Amino acid sequence: SQKIEQNSEALNIQEGKTATLTCNYTNYSPAYLQWYRQDPGRGPVFLLLIRENEKEKRKERLKVTFDTTLKQSLFHITASQPADSATYLCALLSSGTYKYIFGTGTRLKVLA
Amino acid sequence: EAGVTQFPSHSVIEKGQTVTLRCDPISGHDNLYWYRRVMGKEIKFLLHFVKESKQDESGMPNNRFLAERTGGTYSTLKVQPAELEDSGVYFCASSQDIAGLGETQYFGPGTRLLVL
Repeated sequence: SQKIEQNSEALNIQEGKTATLTCNYTNYSPAYLQWYRQDPGRGPVFLLLIRENEKEKRKERLKVTFDTTLKQSLFHITASQPADSATYLCALLSSGTYKYIFGTGTRLKVLA
Repeated sequence: EAGVTQFPSHSVIEKGQTVTLRCDPISGHDNLYWYRRVMGKEIKFLLHFVKESKQDESGMPNNRFLAERTGGTYSTLKVQPAELEDSGVYFCASSQDIAGLGETQYFGPGTRLLVL
């Protein structure tokens, strides 16, 4: 069955460093992959979408890569700030459907 | 512009009772989605409306769940009768075009449901 894995352990990094989060998937080839940010008590907020034919996408301090051979996406936040502390979710379009499958998310904490 | 709103923000009910959750999408968004997150698990798709029609309801757990979107504006999700395993956070999202075609979907804050 289609499965998405994100590191369930929290990631702690020092302010100013680059945070790298991983999203691995198995048993399918998604056409789209999205990254979301979720703060406690709130709904997910869309950050970036990358298509299967795109290797990399950037938006300000954010960068997403998509390696369909490795079945992996990496999400980078450069020059991280304490305000970047949140849970980050990846979501992939389920094959043959219009619905997204979400990972469980990785909690990021940026230490001042 | 107002975002997606959900009501209530929290609901605590007893097993066997009925609860109705409401979602107001962003104005003009034809596509509306319901998701659920059970504690410790990932957000899971429940169903997708295009205007007032159910496009995909493959994620609905069972027939105790009924979703409606009369008039193609707001949507309700009714759970009747509620069971303990229905506890979780119910999210609604909306998008102008179909999210599965690359359109951004905007999430509401969620309704936290606790069934005792």
